[in-house]
Amino acid sequence: GAGVSQSPRYKVAKRGQDVALRCDPISGHVSLFWYQQALGQGPEFLTYFQNEAQLDKSGLPSDRFFAERPEGSVSTLKIQRTQQEDSAVYLCASSFRRGSNNQPQHFGDGTRLSIL
Amino acid sequence: QQPVQSPQAVILREGEDAVINCSSSKALYSVHWYRQKHGEAPVFLMILLKGGEQKGHDKISASFNEKKQQSSLYLTASQLSYSGTYFCGTPPPHGGATNKLIFGTGTLLAVQP
Repeated sequence: GAGVSQSPRYKVAKRGQDVALRCDPISGHVSLFWYQQALGQGPEFLTYFQNEAQLDKSGLPSDRFFAERPEGSVSTLKIQRTQQEDSAVYLCASSFRRGSNNQPQHFGDGTRLSIL
Repeated sequence: QQPVQSPQAVILREGEDAVINCSSSKALYSVHWYRQKHGEAPVFLMILLKGGEQKGHDKISASFNEKKQQSSLYLTASQLSYSGTYFCGTPPPHGGATNKLIFGTGTLLAVQP
């Protein structure tokens, strides 16, 4: 596709349920990022993949959060035993090359997660 | 360390100019600027890498001061389409294996007819 695609756009879950969020990056992009954005705040880094390798997961808030990118393209962010504080917009971004600070990140529209 | 943006919010009439600042107490490796409309993806505007650098396109430009501790985004003759929240982003001080970004506090810009 032309841009980063995320699904679903909206997800409502009850506290304690597990959820899975999907990101389809721009074709050929090596780097993939997940960010969490609370209402009125800037995106906060969760985790980074270079191809299929998860090189940085320092931003994941707890061991309930898990991300994978098994074939180096589509990625899934899974949240187990969801809690109300997990409610946020989850953004995925991709960039063409690896490990470079001089290239743009292309963001998807995000998944808005609401935990009841 | 999160960059600080100012102002937090600004309201303009079409055709007016605005400046948004992004500041840090330590030198930044680079500064990335994004605009995000409500419910949409952040959209990349530009990257500045060098102290003293200025760049821009159309009526949106930016500068990076010599000490690389402040960047400013200039919006000239604003249009309704400029409305949104502007974020600066910067890599963490010690880099690492990723080019993750630490985003600033955001500036809400509203352009009115």
